[in-house]
Amino acid sequence: QSVLTQPPSVSGAPGQRVTISCTGSSSNIGAGYDVHWYQQLPGTAPKLLMYGYSYRPSGVPDRFSGSKSGTSASLAITGLQAEDEADYYCQSYDSSLNGVVFGGGTKLTVL
Amino acid sequence: QLQLQESGPGLVKPSETLSLTCTVSGGSISSSSYYWGWIRQPPGKGLEWIGSIYYSGSTYFHPSLKSRVIMSVDTSKNQFSLNLSSVTAADTAVYYCAKVPSWRMDVWGQGTTVTVSS
Repeated sequence: QSVLTQPPSVSGAPGQRVTISCTGSSSNIGAGYDVHWYQQLPGTAPKLLMYGYSYRPSGVPDRFSGSKSGTSASLAITGLQAEDEADYYCQSYDSSLNGVVFGGGTKLTVL
Repeated sequence: QLQLQESGPGLVKPSETLSLTCTVSGGSISSSSYYWGWIRQPPGKGLEWIGSIYYSGSTYFHPSLKSRVIMSVDTSKNQFSLNLSSVTAADTAVYYCAKVPSWRMDVWGQGTTVTVSS
């Protein structure tokens, strides 16, 4: 059971928009700690996709965006492409655990 | 460009200690802005943070692993290490090392697979 809750899977057709939610609590997202998102392509290491809710590292296309509301955060992907098919993880800091927490991951399927 | 590379045995016997090293290249492990961390991923499952260490030796560990984890830094070799004792099959995973500024992992190693089996 992950501290941050994500849907196990989402899907969308090429060109569409999908969102992935990440629900936490008052000891992590709700406490104002940053949420970061990672993309893990099959057979590869995770890659930082978004940090501080809505900042993109260099090289990440602006089709990816992030937001936060209360104890939840979301990752949105617009103009879905086949290459976006991957697992996506949210991550934050939790003051109760005094450490890093991850969501369980969401598998994105491009139909 | 900063790169991280994990190394260590791919097979560990139950009850023994898993030992991994992460070698940092393209930058100094002694940077004052970063922690360095270990994350693992059991087969077919999600990511689990193991712990993080500062070059001075300050550490944070996952509560469920704290009693079995030791981390260390060797600044002369630009390396940091993970020791996980009393391993069981549940510790079988891909182990990643990462650079950890402000509680996020912005540079990852490629990962190394560790299997716990007799």
